[in-house]
Amino acid sequence: VVMTQSPLSLPVTLGQPASISCRSSQSLVYTDGNTYLYWFHQRPGQSPRRLIYKVSNRDSGVPDRFSGSGSGTDFTLKISRVEAEDVGVYYCMQGTHWPLYTFGQGTKLEIK
Amino acid sequence: EVQLVESGGGLVQPGGSLRLSCAASGFTFSNYWMHWVRQFPGKGLEWVSRINNDGSSIMYADSVRGRFTISRDNAKNTLYLQMNSLRAEDTAVYYCLPPTFDPWGQGTLVIVSS
Repeated sequence: VVMTQSPLSLPVTLGQPASISCRSSQSLVYTDGNTYLYWFHQRPGQSPRRLIYKVSNRDSGVPDRFSGSGSGTDFTLKISRVEAEDVGVYYCMQGTHWPLYTFGQGTKLEIK
Repeated sequence: EVQLVESGGGLVQPGGSLRLSCAASGFTFSNYWMHWVRQFPGKGLEWVSRINNDGSSIMYADSVRGRFTISRDNAKNTLYLQMNSLRAEDTAVYYCLPPTFDPWGQGTLVIVSS
């Protein structure tokens, strides 16, 4: 399953919204009815951190300005108002077609 | 608190071997599948391997099958990745992860170069 993110580079003004698209080459709906689509954020010099699991569930400590949505093959991560700490690279990942877990190429968010 | 501490990385020549370790704490290690994921210098991420809780079910990415071996010691709460016949394209930071892909440790850097 190929995961395709866009854009790959995302310059955003502080306080403005941002949106990242992730598309899969096959449906991510699993036989149990769940959709195993995750979002991760990697700040410069740090390890990745999971933000969102199963499309739209925010992890503990993740600000509510982050939201995930989508279904089937099309998914979106939105940041309602970008803050300085949001810079870095965002990755989507599918866990539906295990064991061949696959990641998107990454989207680099920077402040204009 | 779940903690994963990877170790064992380093500089190795092409064709060489390394054994990575991952010390797990803060959860009942023996109850969970575990993964190895790697991040290339250009920052792309690739799933490498997965082992179930008792080691009876193992899967590998095509890129490492036949060269890498995943294993675990539940008595020591430790996950391993034996890497043989290393290639330049195996150069990456290697992370061990629980089935939820959260949290991530600091990773261990493997550099394959002559």
